[in-house]
Amino acid sequence: QVQLVQSGAEVKKPGASVKVSCKASGYTFTSYGISWVRQAPGQGLEWMGWISAYNGNTNYAQKLQGRVTMTTDTSTSTAYMELRSLRSDDTAVYYCARSGVDTAMSPMDYWGQGTLVTVSS
Amino acid sequence: SYVLTQPPSVSVAPGKTARITCGGNNIGSKSVHWYQQKPGQAPVLVIYYDSDRPSGIPERFSGSNSGNTATLTISRVEAGDEADYYCQVWDSSSDRVVFGGGTKLTVL
Repeated sequence: QVQLVQSGAEVKKPGASVKVSCKASGYTFTSYGISWVRQAPGQGLEWMGWISAYNGNTNYAQKLQGRVTMTTDTSTSTAYMELRSLRSDDTAVYYCARSGVDTAMSPMDYWGQGTLVTVSS
Repeated sequence: SYVLTQPPSVSVAPGKTARITCGGNNIGSKSVHWYQQKPGQAPVLVIYYDSDRPSGIPERFSGSNSGNTATLTISRVEAGDEADYYCQVWDSSSDRVVFGGGTKLTVL
């Protein structure tokens, strides 16, 4: 069965960086892409960006350009999302979700369990 | 950028039909996906490409999309359907994914 298992909760200080992992199993990793979505406390879903696990192509949300980097390690079927220069409003649950291999247009059909990132001094 | 508008809340009695709308400029020309999110859980895809249901999603869930409104319809609502529901599209003009603000479905 398809599973996306994310790394554990993180507490970071403002200005620091965080790197969240998402290990995939149950399907051919390089046949899909991974989207990252975050959800601030009590708020809605916000798309952060997408990466193709086939060729590493990325597409980032405009507001995060320059602060976010998404990568994959095909040898371990793991996707990573790094967010730099953290601010308090980056406090959120971060989700990875399986998506299309060519673009982020495809539906997100499987989701990770979420990783809480808390930014606090 | 493209905006999707959902009502903040919808209430329905058990056994009745709930309709959750998602408004956007000419949304009928786009493909709409719907997600269900229960408290403390990750979202679950319930409808994709306007009206298709993933395996395991009850037939009570259906979707439609025309003009400026997409609709998620839940028939014979059950207490277990109480959740937040989000619509999502791909905005080709900006090459970005867009989510609606979400609708909280309350089963009375």
